Amino acid sequence: NAGVTQTPKFQVLKTGQSMTLQCAQDMNHNSMYWYRQDPGMGLRLIYYSASEGTTDKGEVPNGYNVSRLNKREFSLRLESAAPSQTSVYFCASSEGSGGGTDTQYFGPGTRLTVL
Amino acid sequence: SQQGEEDPQALSIQEGENATMNCSYKTSINNLQWYRQNSGRGLVHLILIRSNEREKHSGRLRVTLDTSKKSSSLLITASRAADTASYFCAPGGYNKLIFGAGTRLAVHP
Repeated sequence: NAGVTQTPKFQVLKTGQSMTLQCAQDMNHNSMYWYRQDPGMGLRLIYYSASEGTTDKGEVPNGYNVSRLNKREFSLRLESAAPSQTSVYFCASSEGSGGGTDTQYFGPGTRLTVL
Repeated sequence: SQQGEEDPQALSIQEGENATMNCSYKTSINNLQWYRQNSGRGLVHLILIRSNEREKHSGRLRVTLDTSKKSSSLLITASRAADTASYFCAPGGYNKLIFGAGTRLAVHP
């Protein structure tokens, strides 16, 4: 099993460009999450999806959109990238339907730089 | 907020020594989880302790939980250079997990 996979691994954008970060899990998990991590900081939750077809905002949703395409895939879209969105983005999944009791499994991250 | 706050922010020790990291939180929880992050990698789950447990062991890891003080500690015994990483606590309640800034542990050979 690959676990949680993310593409791309690295990306450089110019201000105003758009892009979609892809995430997939093969563990048949119900919940999926998108986080960002800035240097020396913890993870901040952007959006999450407790089940296929549902999405909810996290701590820092502004400037992002998400799509839970099916049970396996959860994408994060930046419509008009800004330098403040330079960060490392992590996708995670958990077995349950969200809540604070699930163990989360993380992907390797996407390093995004916005110039 | 359900966020955990780790202390110290950074810890530097020699191989073979024990490392202790602390976590405090403010709300009621169902469980508390600890995660490790090696440089440039995703987080890896280490251990989960439920609110009705006081202590839990996993290999060289020992976690304690004191719900009356809203605090937890992670002890790594006989540390190795490979333990060099950031460690995060994540108090688990009815809302999503919220991670703190972590403790950066450096273990020197």
